[in-house]
Amino acid sequence: AQKITQTQPGMFVQEKEAVTLDCTYDTSDPSYGLFWYKQPSSGEMIFLIYQGSYDQQNATEGRYSLNFQKARKSANLVISASQLGDSAMYFCAMRELNTGGFKTIFGAGTRLFVKA
Amino acid sequence: DVKVTQSSRYLVKRTGEKVFLECVQDMDHENMFWYRQDPGLGLRLIYFSYDVKMKEKGDIPEGYSVSREKKERFSLILESASTNQTSMYLCASSLVGLAGNIQYFGAGTRLSVL
Repeated sequence: AQKITQTQPGMFVQEKEAVTLDCTYDTSDPSYGLFWYKQPSSGEMIFLIYQGSYDQQNATEGRYSLNFQKARKSANLVISASQLGDSAMYFCAMRELNTGGFKTIFGAGTRLFVKA
Repeated sequence: DVKVTQSSRYLVKRTGEKVFLECVQDMDHENMFWYRQDPGLGLRLIYFSYDVKMKEKGDIPEGYSVSREKKERFSLILESASTNQTSMYLCASSLVGLAGNIQYFGAGTRLSVL
């Protein structure tokens, strides 16, 4: 079974608007971490934001916020005020702290296009 | 800043060749990882290492081996390259610990096997 599901292969957003990238996950481990990474065309994966399963508040990092809905097992990334430089692939990932060992599992990714 | 450096951005090799992909990190991280990235499949873990000379198989280790003789260097070896190993290869490193275990990635090596 897919542990990380990103249902949107591609998304378009107008510059300066907000966009939500979807991510659902599946785990029975009560302790886990959720991550979002950005991969521009240059290829390097860039860490954006992290949410722990026991964190009470949604994580925020500048224009990025993570909409964490634990009961629904979703961890959507919200980018506010999109910029042209946000055009990239975005990957949702999860690490199960008790059962997963050192492994981080990645979703298939969503390609975001920001239109001027 | 954490720096993870992969020795080549692009490589073209012939079927049957032995291929070495090198990765070096400069932040004294214990963990190092090799992934391959294919369209629609995300990143899949090939091997990881949690210490010098220690390694663990990931999800798709077949056809690959690794070497970690020094803490900062993690090499991926394709013993006999095949066309189905044409892919983007990403190296990453991270600290041990519960605090999110953020992985820091290199720029990737795009390997073509002809």
